[in-house]
Amino acid sequence: DAGVIQSPRHEVTEMGQEVTLRCKPISGHDYLFWYRQTMMRGLELLIYFNNNVPIDDSGMPEDRFSAKMPNASFSTLKIQPSEPRDSAVYFCASTADSLYGYTFGSGTRLTVV
Amino acid sequence: AQSVSQHNHHVILSEAASLELGCNYSYGGTVNLFWYVQYPGQHLQLLLKYFSGDPLVKGIKGFEAEFIKSKFSFNLRKPSVQWSDTAEYFCAVNAWNNNDMRFGAGTRLTVKP
Repeated sequence: DAGVIQSPRHEVTEMGQEVTLRCKPISGHDYLFWYRQTMMRGLELLIYFNNNVPIDDSGMPEDRFSAKMPNASFSTLKIQPSEPRDSAVYFCASTADSLYGYTFGSGTRLTVV
Repeated sequence: AQSVSQHNHHVILSEAASLELGCNYSYGGTVNLFWYVQYPGQHLQLLLKYFSGDPLVKGIKGFEAEFIKSKFSFNLRKPSVQWSDTAEYFCAVNAWNNNDMRFGAGTRLTVKP
């Protein structure tokens, strides 16, 4: 298994632009999570899905952020418009059951200038 | 909702020293507990987990953790650290009936050769 796959690995964009981050979970994992990691706030849960349905999006910072999971093998996190304070590493993780822990992707390092 | 506290922000040790990283959680019910490690520039990887049974759990690379329910603690230990253990360590918790995992702020471990 290739693990959780995220793309791109690095993204540099100008303020105001739309950014789309992508994630492919491990096949058979029903849960998918988006986290944001910064020095100031550590790891923050943004949103998670179960069977492609958003369960808890209370961590999404504001309306500029949106996430979708159109099918079991793909999810996107979109920021529109992007701002410099959105600069962070965004991790996607998946699991079949939380008892097993999560498998994390390699992350997307986003820099908004 | 559950939350996690890690008391040590940065720990510096010499090789062969013993390690103990503190983790406390707040949640009144049954929990699943985890330690993850993040090597520089990499994603989070599961070190060990506890969800029932023997409160002393052993993980990969010689790490172990002890769940003390009365203290709401799940401290990570290693008898003798190596330079290659230099990384950031995250404690995480989720309620037994909830797949929403919360992470502590992390503890950066630096091992001097």
